Amino acid sequence: DGGITQSPKYLFRKEGQNVTLSCEQNLNHDAMYWYRQDPGQGLRLIYYSQIVNDFQKGDIAEGYSVSREKKESFPLTVTSAQKNPTAFYLCASIPGGKANYGYTFGSGTRLTVV
Amino acid sequence: GQQLNQSPQSMFIQEGEDVSMNCTSSSIFNTWLWYKQDPGEGPVLLIALYKAGELTSNGRLTAQFGITRKDSFLNISASIPSDVGIYFCAGREAAQGGSEKLVFGKGMKLTVNP
Repeated sequence: DGGITQSPKYLFRKEGQNVTLSCEQNLNHDAMYWYRQDPGQGLRLIYYSQIVNDFQKGDIAEGYSVSREKKESFPLTVTSAQKNPTAFYLCASIPGGKANYGYTFGSGTRLTVV
Repeated sequence: GQQLNQSPQSMFIQEGEDVSMNCTSSSIFNTWLWYKQDPGEGPVLLIALYKAGELTSNGRLTAQFGITRKDSFLNISASIPSDVGIYFCAGREAAQGGSEKLVFGKGMKLTVNP
């Protein structure tokens, strides 16, 4: 079955470490997105990519980095520069690069700083 | 970036009751979407609306695209325990140019008492 796979489901990071969250989709979708979810804050856009080898900053890109070397993959790195990284991270994609079709979301990665 | 005004923020209802929630924006939207998120999972698309005044149903769910194109509502009738979760509105701004991304509300947490 086609879908978006995020891994790992739970991730623990020590202070000062970089960690990378995986997002893979086999839906042949063109655009992919990373959102951060905090309680009561809704979904806030970190980065998005509409085509391979191109990506744009969202509203809260500071302390994060991404790459889009393959259509299927859009990994997110949470760097040590992100001061409050503990959150639930969601990856999403859309077909044909048209947001009005609605995103398909992965099941999320919960990152905790220890 | 813009975030939609979604209300109420939470609701506690008895099984069998109806519940309504709405979403407003400061700009015109050409698409309104409603998602449901179960705990620890990614949001799942419930209903998509594409035309001002459009009224769409999906089982016990009914949603409408406001005439002004700046609002939408979702109604759940005869609630059941599995309706528990967070409901998000999302939309695509009419004037966002070449970037394809959705704007989200902060979510409405629904609790259903059996």
